[in-house]
Amino acid sequence: DAGVIQSPRHEVTEMGQEVTLRCKPISGHNSLFWYRQTMMRGLELLIYFNNNVPIDDSGMPEDRFSAKMPNASFSTLKIQPSEPRDSAVYFCASSPRTGSNSPLHFGNGTRLTVT
Amino acid sequence: AQSVTQLGSHVSVSEGALVLLRCNYSSSVPPYLFWYVQYPNQGLQLLLKYTSAATLVKGINGFEAEFKKSETSFHLTKPSAHMSDAAEYFCAVSPSSSNTGKLIFGQGTTLQVKP
Repeated sequence: DAGVIQSPRHEVTEMGQEVTLRCKPISGHNSLFWYRQTMMRGLELLIYFNNNVPIDDSGMPEDRFSAKMPNASFSTLKIQPSEPRDSAVYFCASSPRTGSNSPLHFGNGTRLTVT
Repeated sequence: AQSVTQLGSHVSVSEGALVLLRCNYSSSVPPYLFWYVQYPNQGLQLLLKYTSAATLVKGINGFEAEFKKSETSFHLTKPSAHMSDAAEYFCAVSPSSSNTGKLIFGQGTTLQVKP
């Protein structure tokens, strides 16, 4: 089991540029979550998918943020245009099944710095 | 709305001493509760979860937590701290009625272990 794989591990970009973060969930998991972690706000859920369908995107901060899950093994989180306040660690997590007692398996995160 | 509060953003103990990390939850329905640990530059890992089967839950690395409904608490303990326990710990809640797998995290507690 390779775990949840995120890429890149680190991303440094200039304000206004497009940023794409990638995630490969654990094979067989049917729920996928994107979280953002900052010192000020802690861990925030941005969006989650069940069976590749977005279920709740109420945590997406602005229209500059978008997420897709074209198939069961791949998801992207895109920020366009990026701003310095988007600097954070972005985590992808997957879960083996829908259900409130199902634990999340996290990737190692992408540390985004927008200058 | 469901929420968790972790009392104390930093806890420092000596190696071999008792570890106690506090978590109180707010939920209008019986919740599922989780503790996760985050080591530097890594994603979150599940320590243990409460899903109503037993109020005392044992997790990995010698940690355990007790669900106390009367106190709306789910404190994490370990009898004897090891240097390797130094990390950030997160309490999380998921309402049992939601069936979404969506977790609400506390702000985290950094555990420092002194030699």
